[in-house]
Amino acid sequence: NAGVMQNPRHLVRRRGQEARLRCSPMKGHSHVYWYRQLPEEGLKFMVYLQKENIIDESGMPKERFSAEFPKEGPSILRIQQVVRGDSAAYFCASSPPPQNTIYFGEGSWLTVV
Amino acid sequence: DQQVKQNSPSLSVQEGRISILNCDYTNSMFDYFLWYKKYPAEGPTFLISISSIKDKNEDGRFTVFLNKSAKHLSLHIVPSQPGDSAVYFCAASDPIYNQGGKLIFGQGTELSVKP
Repeated sequence: NAGVMQNPRHLVRRRGQEARLRCSPMKGHSHVYWYRQLPEEGLKFMVYLQKENIIDESGMPKERFSAEFPKEGPSILRIQQVVRGDSAAYFCASSPPPQNTIYFGEGSWLTVV
Repeated sequence: DQQVKQNSPSLSVQEGRISILNCDYTNSMFDYFLWYKKYPAEGPTFLISISSIKDKNEDGRFTVFLNKSAKHLSLHIVPSQPGDSAVYFCAASDPIYNQGGKLIFGQGTELSVKP
């Protein structure tokens, strides 16, 4: 009974490098969401994707951040030219075709040094 | 603009007693609410939810109460157990999604249950 799988769990990047976070949704789930939790804060919505479509990216920073959910393979959250303020926990969640409850992965902790 | 607020950052309760975690919201269009529990270095785990057509939903030791007029909900855990020690997040589903997965979270309340 595989849940939402995220990797890597921990990632360290130097300022200016790129970070790629991957998420495989639960079996049967076609909707993927990315959330970010900054230190001492709650989770904040970033983006909602379905296969090959970005449905809502209203929570994504305007620059350097992008997300995709290709027809085959995991969803990817990509952060270019990382800065210290990008250090956070990034959580992926999935749901079946629109359902009330979403299920989260274990998270990917990004540290920018 | 914090639309979902958990004003108590922490709560300490004795084992066996009741834990009451509170949550307020500002948007009267919210019609579906969820509680998640989170341990350090793990993802949030769904606990219980409530639709605005109800004022109470119960699941084992967990009960959520919704007071729409006050825009307030609370999570009751009884009896509290040491394993309940975690951060609890209240969340509201964005009404645009008709109860879908875009959630607005509160800041969380850290519950500590002492043996």
